[in-house]
Amino acid sequence: NAGVTQTPKFRILKIGQSMTLQCAQDMNHNYMYWYRQDPGMGLKLIYYSVGAGITDKGEVPNGYNVSRSTTEDFPLRLELAAPSQTSVYFCASSYSTGEGGYTFGSGTRLTVV
Amino acid sequence: AQKITQTQPGMFVQEKEAVTLDCTYDTSDPSYGLFWYKQPSSGEMIFLIYQGSYDQQNATEGRYSLNFQKARKSANLVISASQLGDSAMYFCAMRGAPERGNNRLAFGKGNQVVVIP
Repeated sequence: NAGVTQTPKFRILKIGQSMTLQCAQDMNHNYMYWYRQDPGMGLKLIYYSVGAGITDKGEVPNGYNVSRSTTEDFPLRLELAAPSQTSVYFCASSYSTGEGGYTFGSGTRLTVV
Repeated sequence: AQKITQTQPGMFVQEKEAVTLDCTYDTSDPSYGLFWYKQPSSGEMIFLIYQGSYDQQNATEGRYSLNFQKARKSANLVISASQLGDSAMYFCAMRGAPERGNNRLAFGKGNQVVVIP
């Protein structure tokens, strides 16, 4: 089983550029999440989705957008990248009950210069 | 909203000794779940153990056990017989009540553990 797959693993962006971080899961989880982790810190929730077509803001949504057109995919879009968005981004998924835990992708390390 | 507090400084642990990592939480949800994750230097998030708020017994998974004290709102992780591979950051996390649509994980800032031979 692939679990949660994130691409790319590493990326360097210039200030003002845009990019999409891809996330796909094959576990038929209805909930999906995007977190960012700044150096030496815990994970902070950016956006989440409870099912296809439904998304909502988390703790730190500014500068990001998401969409959920299918159960499997939950891409994160960065528009006009800023140095403050330099971070490690994790995608995760779960069932609605949270039972069985949350499965995380391996992360995308993004640097904005 | 959920709040997770991990305040211990980085810890050095002798191999084969036990280590306890502190976690306190706050929530207004009647039911909730508590998780511990391990993040080694390679960066991935590895699920260790789960405790439900209504579980009568403390959770255990191999060398990991969770000391759950509901009245104190604490969920400390105990790692027995430390191994060199246990060197990592450890995160406590909580989700609220799914029946309230509050299924998002909130994380603490983590505890750094270094196991020394």
